[in-house]
Amino acid sequence: EAQVTQNPRYLITVTGKKLTVTCSQNMNHEYMSWYRQDPGLGLRQIYYSMNVEVTDKGDVPEGYKVSRKEKRNFPLILESPSPNQTSLYFCASTGVAGALFADTQYFGPGTRLTVL
Amino acid sequence: AQSVTQPDIHITVSEGASLELRCNYSYGATPYLFWYVQSPGQGLQLLLKYFSGDTLVQGIKGFEAEFKRSQSSFNLRKPSVHWSDAAEYFCAVATGNQFYFGTGTSLTVIP
Repeated sequence: EAQVTQNPRYLITVTGKKLTVTCSQNMNHEYMSWYRQDPGLGLRQIYYSMNVEVTDKGDVPEGYKVSRKEKRNFPLILESPSPNQTSLYFCASTGVAGALFADTQYFGPGTRLTVL
Repeated sequence: AQSVTQPDIHITVSEGASLELRCNYSYGATPYLFWYVQSPGQGLQLLLKYFSGDTLVQGIKGFEAEFKRSQSSFNLRKPSVHWSDAAEYFCAVATGNQFYFGTGTSLTVIP
């Protein structure tokens, strides 16, 4: 079954304590991306990756890091989380054969993060 | 800067009534256009997408959308709403390597 998995699904942490949210896809997709969803703001792209070792900033990259060492994995790292990073996070992936986004972008189930 | 506007934050319709959700985008060229639905506590599901060609696009669950270049709009429609359509709906635009979502429209369906 084609899927994007995220872990953990729920996380409560404290300010400044480094954390990583993992994302993995089983569809051999080149493009992966992280979004955060906040009430009244919709989803905003944090970072994206066109392929292994190729990452770029989205609209709201401040306070986040990513890495793409393997094609299937795209972890999101918060090195010093702050309360304004409390949000619902989604990972997504899509293939790039032909035009980017011509294929369906698959979304993970979401990770709800609370930073106290 | 690219932007996607969904002017209606919340819409309430009666079951069986028709539905239209508005979406306007700001971009120089014609981007790729999408509508997603998010049910409470769920992830996002693609309803339909437009890349080129016929400006009326059919999607899943009986939804359709019409691209109007002159109005920079991509409105979502359904002729008869079901109670299960209650959800949040997001319009989205893909341009270059990035993806932009609107702020969403929450749909309530009254029996």
